[in-house]
Amino acid sequence: QQPVQSPQAVILREGEDAVINCSSSKALYSVHWYRQKHGEAPVFLMILLKGGEQKGHDKISASFNEKKQQSSLYLTASQLSYSGTYFCGTEQGGSEKLVFGKGTKLTVNP
Amino acid sequence: DTEVTQTPKHLVMGMTNKKSLKCEQHMGHRAMYWYKQKAKKPPELMFVYSYEKLSINESVPSRFSPECPNSSLLNLHLHALQPEDSALYLCASSQVPAATYEQYFGPGTRLTVT
Repeated sequence: QQPVQSPQAVILREGEDAVINCSSSKALYSVHWYRQKHGEAPVFLMILLKGGEQKGHDKISASFNEKKQQSSLYLTASQLSYSGTYFCGTEQGGSEKLVFGKGTKLTVNP
Repeated sequence: DTEVTQTPKHLVMGMTNKKSLKCEQHMGHRAMYWYKQKAKKPPELMFVYSYEKLSINESVPSRFSPECPNSSLLNLHLHALQPEDSALYLCASSQVPAATYEQYFGPGTRLTVT
């Protein structure tokens, strides 16, 4: 089942903060976050696992509320390089299959 | 080296042609994936290979035929495609076939079916 991301799009000025949310109607085993710039491949940002473990970049932070089946990605002091489309991918059954949300387009302006 | 390579970068083919997409990784990863991505849409899983065996086929039409000749190489054979199959085809790999490991994506092959 496809997770729901919000907002669909956000425009920031450099230095501002943003939060991107990802929610599912089913219990989640893991949540992945990827960023894709136009014309490029998705790039891994972070994994959040049931039980609290996280793996990812030091400059990116995220949360995973297992009870609410939600995850949030926190982008602080945004830089121009943060622009792109952010996808969350969720996995529900302990398999290798990820289902991606529709994406959140982030634009950071000078 | 965390690179996944894909060839060709662009491919234009007619509906009667047979072509193949190639994906390669040298990270020792034991899971490899094919995704299809339409413009402004998320990647959609097509196939998963776990330890060189096909483990997931997301009900993909038989005109797409995956092959994993060895642990570093993944092919996608294309035959009798339709114009609606035009898309970006992404290959990805992960250390092991489990969603607790990050996936590394290749740059993709942009396919146009005429």
